[in-house]
Amino acid sequence: NAGVTQTPKFQVLKTGQSMTLQCAQDMNHEYMSWYRQDPGMGLRLIHYSVGAGITDQGEVPNGYNVSRSTTEDFPLRLLSAAPSQTSVYFCASSYKYSITGTYEQYFGPGTRLTVT
Amino acid sequence: KNQVEQSPQSLIILEGKNCTLQCNYTVSPFSNLRWYKQDTGRGPVSLTIMTFSENTKSNGRYTATLDADTKQSSLHITASQLSDSASYICVVSQRSNDYKLSFGAGTTVTVRA
Repeated sequence: NAGVTQTPKFQVLKTGQSMTLQCAQDMNHEYMSWYRQDPGMGLRLIHYSVGAGITDQGEVPNGYNVSRSTTEDFPLRLLSAAPSQTSVYFCASSYKYSITGTYEQYFGPGTRLTVT
Repeated sequence: KNQVEQSPQSLIILEGKNCTLQCNYTVSPFSNLRWYKQDTGRGPVSLTIMTFSENTKSNGRYTATLDADTKQSSLHITASQLSDSASYICVVSQRSNDYKLSFGAGTTVTVRA
């Protein structure tokens, strides 16, 4: 199993450009999510999906779009990049423990995005 | 607003010594509390998950405790190794929606030889 993979690892954009961050998982997890991590702050949820065809907004969704056409893939689109979107982006996927109902999350390696 | 506060923000310890990290939270109703380890330039990796009924949980040299009454948790690292140098993140979820996690800012641990 490759686990959760993310591409690219690094990206530099100019203000106003658009791009898609890729995320894929091969664990057949139903739940996938996108977070951003900024210095001195905890990870913040951008968007999440509980299954193919179903997405919902998290804590900081503005400026980002997602879609979930397959169980494996969950791309994050930046519509018009802004310097405030400079961050490290993590994708995560989850399965459910059958006994406790606790969802274990597996994180990808991250994409470091700089917007100039 | 659900919050997770961690202390200290950072600490330096000598190899072989022990240390304890603290986590206070206001998330309610509580479902579970997780501790993650995040190496520099990597994604977080789960160390432990504790539900309401669990007071202590160990994973090798890592021992987490939970006091759901006072809404406090600690992570104890025993006999630290250089590979323990990382950020340790406390994460709490609500009973109503276990998918939405509240993350602490993390404690950065540096282990020196």
